[in-house]
Amino acid sequence: SAVISQKPSRDICQRGTSLTIQCQVDSQVTMMFWYRQQPGQSLTLIATANQGSEATYESGFVIDKFPISRPNLTFSTLTVSNMSPEDSSIYLCSVDGQGGSYEQYFGPGTRLTVT
Amino acid sequence: AQKITQTQPGMFVQEKEAVTLDCTYDTSDQSYGLFWYKQPSSGEMIFLIYQGSYDEQNATEGRYSLNFQKARKSANLVISASQLGDSAMYFCAMREFQGAQKLVFGQGTRLTINP
Repeated sequence: SAVISQKPSRDICQRGTSLTIQCQVDSQVTMMFWYRQQPGQSLTLIATANQGSEATYESGFVIDKFPISRPNLTFSTLTVSNMSPEDSSIYLCSVDGQGGSYEQYFGPGTRLTVT
Repeated sequence: AQKITQTQPGMFVQEKEAVTLDCTYDTSDQSYGLFWYKQPSSGEMIFLIYQGSYDEQNATEGRYSLNFQKARKSANLVISASQLGDSAMYFCAMREFQGAQKLVFGQGTRLTINP
């Protein structure tokens, strides 16, 4: 499976500011996925990022609030913009398994607290 | 639309006992995959086991097995000989292999192993 790293691992931010989360994969992948996990909740897909095209956002998530970049096949960023306390969550990136496998592998996550 | 239901918010099991975590799903697709993930308190998502809708045999991975009952649309996770380190959140997930191919998660079950 791919090795995925995320930066930062955690952060405490003030409302109204923005935070950019980085996701780095040790191999080239076509799609990268960004999820949000609110406290005590399950994971919800924010968007799917393909290299060279605009990210595809899920219902309830918009590009102005969660802009995503995908400059190459091993890297992506998610920005949480104009943050409010409701944005306090764990944000995780993931990639599909290699060799045609169907599971997704996740990065360690970024724990965001907005005060 | 695909849906995953986990009806057990919490489970308490004695160490070395077997435990079954329930998962039911709903889909109109014929081709799909079912997954279980473990999330320790550290927040990382660890892939445990995969079952394809066309797989006739139940999937097994070490102490984990997936009890797949297609007609009942259930995909229960069985952990044999539980260990203290098994204490975590467990999420059932499904991925339809047509269309958007999104990974959709259930609400999770918190498993606590007592010594």
